[in-house]
Amino acid sequence: GQQVMQIPQYQHVQEGEDFTTYCNSSTTLSNIQWYKQRPGGHPVFLIQLVKSGEVKKQKRLTFQFGEAKKNSSLHITATQTTDVGTYFCAGADNYGQNFVFGPGTRLSVLP
Amino acid sequence: NAGVTQTPKFQVLKTGQSMTLQCAQDMNHEYMSWYRQDPGMGLRLIHYSVGAGITDQGEVPNGYNVSRSTTEDFPLRLLSAAPSQTSVYFCASSPGQTYGYTFGSGTRLTVV
Repeated sequence: GQQVMQIPQYQHVQEGEDFTTYCNSSTTLSNIQWYKQRPGGHPVFLIQLVKSGEVKKQKRLTFQFGEAKKNSSLHITATQTTDVGTYFCAGADNYGQNFVFGPGTRLSVLP
Repeated sequence: NAGVTQTPKFQVLKTGQSMTLQCAQDMNHEYMSWYRQDPGMGLRLIHYSVGAGITDQGEVPNGYNVSRSTTEDFPLRLLSAAPSQTSVYFCASSPGQTYGYTFGSGTRLTVV
């Protein structure tokens, strides 16, 4: 079955440093979504990527979808303490109905 | 607009008991899903639905049943609770496959 992996599992950064998490799928994806979950909270949708090689930006966050549509990345520039949480990618199979989540990358930001 | 509402927020069950986790959304979303989240792991899909009357299994469906008689409601039934079902359960909904999911606040279930 489809498997989605993320690295690293944990990342500790000093406030102001950059952060990147990588997502890899065992199969070609139709689209990929990114979510953020604050400690004790629920996942919150950030963005969806659909096209091969697509790059989208949201303020300090940059999302990329690989050319082969099997990998993706989330990059945060100049982290802030408000960025603390776990970042999940979720990849959909070719029907786009069944999203499989990666295990997440937990980000800690030290002030 | 309440979004996705899950009840109860907390539940303790004894092994072998059955119960239903409720999920309701008021956004007229066609897609609804149930996930479980265990410590240090991502969200694993239990069951999902792409519309009223249509359900399908996800990664970890064993021990759970769902039904989708209306667009708004998507209850998850635990048939005979086991300690391995101790987890946080999230319900989520989406307008369709090109949109992100809105998650409920979760149900924390403990089976003793």
